[in-house]
Amino acid sequence: AQSVTQLGSHVSVSEGALVLLRCNYSSSVPPYLFWYVQYPNQGLQLLLKYTSAATLVKGINGFEAEFKKSETSFHLTKPSAHMSDAAEYFCAVSLYTGANSKLTFGKGITLSVRP
Amino acid sequence: GAVVSQHPSWVICKSGTSVKIECRSLDFQATTMFWYRQFPKQSLMLMATSNEGSKATYEQGVEKDKFLINHASLTLSTLTVTSAHPEDSSFYICSASPLDSEQYFGPGTRLTVT
Repeated sequence: AQSVTQLGSHVSVSEGALVLLRCNYSSSVPPYLFWYVQYPNQGLQLLLKYTSAATLVKGINGFEAEFKKSETSFHLTKPSAHMSDAAEYFCAVSLYTGANSKLTFGKGITLSVRP
Repeated sequence: GAVVSQHPSWVICKSGTSVKIECRSLDFQATTMFWYRQFPKQSLMLMATSNEGSKATYEQGVEKDKFLINHASLTLSTLTVTSAHPEDSSFYICSASPLDSEQYFGPGTRLTVT
């Protein structure tokens, strides 16, 4: 079985500051890892994914994440926050990739960006 | 590409009635569709996985007689909440996967049962 832990429920940063959203996973096999963003009353949009290629993954909107097996982590970062980054962020894990792969989500982190 | 739509985007129904939510893949054929439920300020919980032409596979604890899922074509899956009760009020999100690809999520449907 797999699981995802996102510590804390809310992160607040100033515009232009570094964004760091933490994600730790547990998986019995090498995992596939994802970060999604959700804006209010909308579905999920994929930010980036790790599928066992490069450990540093670059995504959309300037976000990136680094897979660290030794730390079982996949933290999401962005060098400079924008107001438009304010949203809910979910980390997810899957045991395999493909059409039938189930995603297990973390509880999510709300990112607020202060002017 | 890879757009998934849901209809309706929000619905209010009375307790005891049934409501149907549609999930469509607009520009690809989805061999698999997933249905999730999300309570306010909480994560997505997978309800069921459906493959075109076969019965849906429900997650543990999900009542299959209450949440009827039909995946009749490669572009359409429906979720019917039968005999809805106020505790069924939630945000329902579907996702769809082309063969050997990731999930693409719909915009969600807000269900309120009065």
